[in-house]
Amino acid sequence: EPEVTQTPSHQVTQMGQEVILRCVPISNHLYFYWYRQILGQKVEFLVSFYNNEISEKSEIFDDQFSVERPDGSNFTLKIRSTKLEDSAMYFCASSRQVNTEAFFGQGTRLTVV
Amino acid sequence: TQLLEQSPQFLSIQEGENLTVYCNSSSVFSSLQWYRQEPGEGPVLLVTVVTGGEVKKLKRLTFQFGDARKDSSLHITAAQPGDTGLYLCAGARNSGNTPLVFGKGTRLSVIA
Repeated sequence: EPEVTQTPSHQVTQMGQEVILRCVPISNHLYFYWYRQILGQKVEFLVSFYNNEISEKSEIFDDQFSVERPDGSNFTLKIRSTKLEDSAMYFCASSRQVNTEAFFGQGTRLTVV
Repeated sequence: TQLLEQSPQFLSIQEGENLTVYCNSSSVFSSLQWYRQEPGEGPVLLVTVVTGGEVKKLKRLTFQFGDARKDSSLHITAAQPGDTGLYLCAGARNSGNTPLVFGKGTRLSVIA
């Protein structure tokens, strides 16, 4: 069964460093998303991506964040200068059409120290 | 900002009991999805409901979408320890490429 895959599963980084989180969405899906979940809190939307551009982003997704689809399969989230409060689980998701079922990856646990 | 309120926040029951968890909003959604999330893992899609009043069954799980498409419920019959997890509802709006809005979830613990 097709699935969304994310790497790495865990990432520890020092404050101020750049991190890139990687995702391979389901191959025939057109819409891609990043969400994050701070420990014990709700799943929060960061950004959605369609047709090689950002279609919507939340207030969390500030200038420190960027997304890219560098090739036909990968979808990346870059955090330019990490802060302690960026520590969270980051989930990638994809869907075939807008507002249809979104399938989530297993997540990357980011710890900023 | 539309909110999805889930209740109860925590639920601990004995194996074999029935339970219902709720997902409520003041906003109308074009569809509503239920996910289950285990610790350290991503949300796993259980079901999507689209039509007001729709009822979907998945083995012992029954999902209902409210007539006005503002609320939903999940009923589990004869709960088992394997049902333990965080149950999340997420709503999709009609317009544009808008993201899913998640509730905070109901953390269910089924004790053998």
